[in-house]
Parts: sequence; C-alpha cells; structure tokens
Amino acid sequence: QVQLQESGPGLVKPSETLSLTCTVSGGSINTYYWSWSWIRQPPGKGLEWIGYIFYSGTTTYSPPLKSRVTMSVDTSKNQFSLNLSSVTAADTAVYYCARLLMTSSSFAFDIWGLGTMVTVSS
Amino acid sequence: QSALTQPRSVSGSPGQSVTISCTGTSSDVGAYNYVSWYQQHPGKAPKLIIYDVNKRPSGVPDRFSGSRSANTASLTISGLQAEDEADYYCCSYAGTYTFEVFGTGTKVTAL
Repeated sequence: QVQLQESGPGLVKPSETLSLTCTVSGGSINTYYWSWSWIRQPPGKGLEWIGYIFYSGTTTYSPPLKSRVTMSVDTSKNQFSLNLSSVTAADTAVYYCARLLMTSSSFAFDIWGLGTMVTVSS
Repeated sequence: QSALTQPRSVSGSPGQSVTISCTGTSSDVGAYNYVSWYQQHPGKAPKLIIYDVNKRPSGVPDRFSGSRSANTASLTISGLQAEDEADYYCCSYAGTYTFEVFGTGTKVTAL
C-alpha cells in the first residue's frame, strides 16, 4: 500500500526558502497515471493546491504561487520536493504531499501524507 | 482563482440525511467530470471519499454519494453517523491555467 511522508524544517524565517521532501513508500514514483502534488492548509482555514510534478520532472504550479514555487523529483530515492521562496507569515500552514490520479476519465488526490506544520517566524 | 463556495456548516440528527453543496462556475464544476470530495477529521489529513462527481473509492461506505447539477456539485450523507462529524471539502479541475480549485469547506455536525 502506497504511503507518503513529509519531512523538513518546522520553522522558517521570513524572506527565506521553505524546503520540504515527500518520501513515497510501498510503490514506485515512476508511474504514468499518477503525479505528485503539494497542498497546504493555513491554521483554521481551507485547502490550497500548490502544484504537481510528474516522475519525468514536468511541473504545473498554482498561478498565485508560481513565481515562488519550485518542485523537483528524485526517482532514485522515490522522493519529490517543494521549495517555496521569499516566505512570509502568510505561508504558515500544514503542508501535505498527495498522489494525484490523472487519467482521461479520473482526476483526484487519492493518497495523502500526514502533513507537516511549517511556521514562518523570526 | 476563486475558491468553490460551500456552506460553512450543516447538521443533522444521527440517521438523517445531510447534503453539502459546492458551487462553482462553468469553467470548473460545470465544465469537467472531475469533482472530488474529501473528509477531514480534526488534526488529520484529508481523505478522498468521492471522485469524478459520483464514484466511491474502495472502502468508503455507500452512505456517501455525489452528484452534480449545472455548476453545483453536492455530497449527500445518507444515515448520518457520529463518526461522520468532520470537515468536508470539494475540489474541481478548472482547466490548464487554474488547474485545481478547492471549496471553502463545510463542518458537519451530528446533533
């Protein structure tokens, strides 16, 4: 059974870069019908999609965050990563990695990691 | 990129049916058969309960059902149970520019 686990610093200073990694276990990241996404949730608020990456390295980012987001994939480690630059307090959130099922007839985030809280503060 | 609109809260007695609406536009909910719903218990990660408007993943009870009419999708919980108390979020594909948009979220309470 595929499982996802986020890892990274829980505290980031304003203006610095937030970096997180998601490790995929129980299955390969090299899959055609799934891409790998990041989603965040500020405290007490709703979910916000950040972007996704295929095993090939192809990426798509949310327009409001596009200028600050970079995602990468390491197929040898079965991991994918998120970098969010120039962070502010508004970037404080629980960050989830999720598997995105993408076919011609289906589209959904079918497996989620447990999430990791990232606080932006000096 | 506006979030899909959901009621802030809905409630019902155990055994009753409750329905959560998710209103979007002709560019997202009304345009694609890619509406999904997620259940989130406090402090937990979201869980997929409905995808492609009305499909249920394996293991999800059949008391959860999804539907859509024009630009509004709906999630119905038939026979509300105490463990269904949670936040629920809809999500829709919105094309190759916006890509994915979530709903504002609805808190379901079993009275």
